[in-house]
Amino acid sequence: ETGVTQSPTHLIKTRGQQVTLRCSSQSGHNTVSWYQQALGQGPQFIFQYYREEENGRGNFPPRFSGLQFPNYSSELNVNALELDDSALYLCASSPSRQGWHGYTFGSGTRLTVV
Amino acid sequence: AQRVTQPEKLLSVFKGAPVELKCNYSYSGSPELFWYVQYSRQRLQLLLRHISRESIKGFTADLNKGETSFHLKKPFAQEEDSAMYYCALRSYGQNFVFGPGTRLSVLP
Repeated sequence: ETGVTQSPTHLIKTRGQQVTLRCSSQSGHNTVSWYQQALGQGPQFIFQYYREEENGRGNFPPRFSGLQFPNYSSELNVNALELDDSALYLCASSPSRQGWHGYTFGSGTRLTVV
Repeated sequence: AQRVTQPEKLLSVFKGAPVELKCNYSYSGSPELFWYVQYSRQRLQLLLRHISRESIKGFTADLNKGETSFHLKKPFAQEEDSAMYYCALRSYGQNFVFGPGTRLSVLP
C-alpha cells in the first residue's frame, strides 16, 4: 500500500509566476486536502476535494485553486505568486469525506518565491 | 471561530522526566481533538485522537471540556520522543485547525 506522494519536493519561483503542485493520494482514498505551512507555524487548511468536487475551503484568496482527477490525485495551483506564498505545502488524503478514518499526510512541497 | 493555542514553542526535558505539552482550544460545539507528531525529516503523522482514548508510545491526552484543553502527557520521556508536536481540532464535516506546534527536546 503506497502512501501519499507529492511532487516536486522543492520548487523556486519568481513573484508573479504561476505554480502547480501535485499529489497522489493513498490507495483507496477519495478525499484530498491541501494545507499551507509557513515557517514556524502549524499547517493551515486551504481546501478539500471529494470525488472531484471542492467541498470545503479555508481563508485563502481565489488565486489558490485546485483540481481532483478521477483517480483521486490532485493539483494545487497558485497564480500571481507573492513572496508570502513561500511555505511547505502539504497534501493529505482520507478514505472518507468526513475523515473519520484519519488522514495520511505527504512529505510536502517546499515552495520558495523570490 | 475555531482556534488552537499551544503556549510553548519549545519544551526541553531530561530523559526519564515527565512531559506535558499544553493545548487549549476555542470552539462552541463538540470538537474532535488530535495530536500530530513530526519527527526529524519525516512527514506529519497522527499520534492520537481523543475519541480513541488510547495510549500511543506511552502518550495520553484527556479532553477537558470545562477548561477547553487537550494536554499531551507522558510519564517518562525518551530521547526518541524529540519531535515537533501539533495539536489539532476538527468539527464535524470540517477540516483541521492546527496549533502552532511545540518542539519537544528530550535531553540525555
